[in-house]
Amino acid sequence: DIQMTQSPSSLSASVGDRVTITCRASQSISSYLNWYQQKPGKAPKLLIYAASSLQSGVPSRFSGSGSGTDFTLTISSLQPEDFATYYCQQSYSTLRTFGQGTKLEIK
Amino acid sequence: QVQLVESGGGVVQPGGSLRLSCAASGFTFSSYGMHWVRQAPGKGLEWVAFIRYDGSNKYYADSVKGRFTISRDNSKNTLYLQMNSLRAEDTAVYYCAKDLRVTIFGVVITGAFDYWGQGTLVTVSS
Repeated sequence: DIQMTQSPSSLSASVGDRVTITCRASQSISSYLNWYQQKPGKAPKLLIYAASSLQSGVPSRFSGSGSGTDFTLTISSLQPEDFATYYCQQSYSTLRTFGQGTKLEIK
Repeated sequence: QVQLVESGGGVVQPGGSLRLSCAASGFTFSSYGMHWVRQAPGKGLEWVAFIRYDGSNKYYADSVKGRFTISRDNSKNTLYLQMNSLRAEDTAVYYCAKDLRVTIFGVVITGAFDYWGQGTLVTVSS
């Protein structure tokens, strides 16, 4: 199976900050990388698919980049509603796998 | 609008069985692959199983292979997960999710989960 590793596991930031979360795959996955946001008690929400394509309805402050094994999710200017847990997920293999998550907290 | 509604969760003893259902609406169910994803209490997301749009192929995480079976009834717009030989470590919220399918510059992109249900809790305990 393809292992996905996110860093950091947790992050404290302030409203207005620029934040970057990293995801690394155990083998090359081309651009088959997706990002999700999850708030407590809610289902995850798709933010970015195919490494850099913004899902419909997602604010443009979210962006994704990378290919091969290294990927990043960037939030350009944190808003109060962005404090949540973020997951990466690979879709290169039919056996999908997620990263362990990055919890973004208010500083 | 797309809606996915899971049902069938509950408390079951170790070694027992349970069948989850996911009722879909708001899209052409028979045209899309579907997934089950679970989340143990306080833990991260774990992909469980995938079924192609026509049920022709099914894939499972190693942790559930041989115990869980994914299926679908396209005439009823419903996805299922039959769970047998349940273990304590199967305790989780189970989500059904629709497989993304978009075409960009003539290239079909799939594999992300673009819509999710609200989840149903399965507790395996004696």
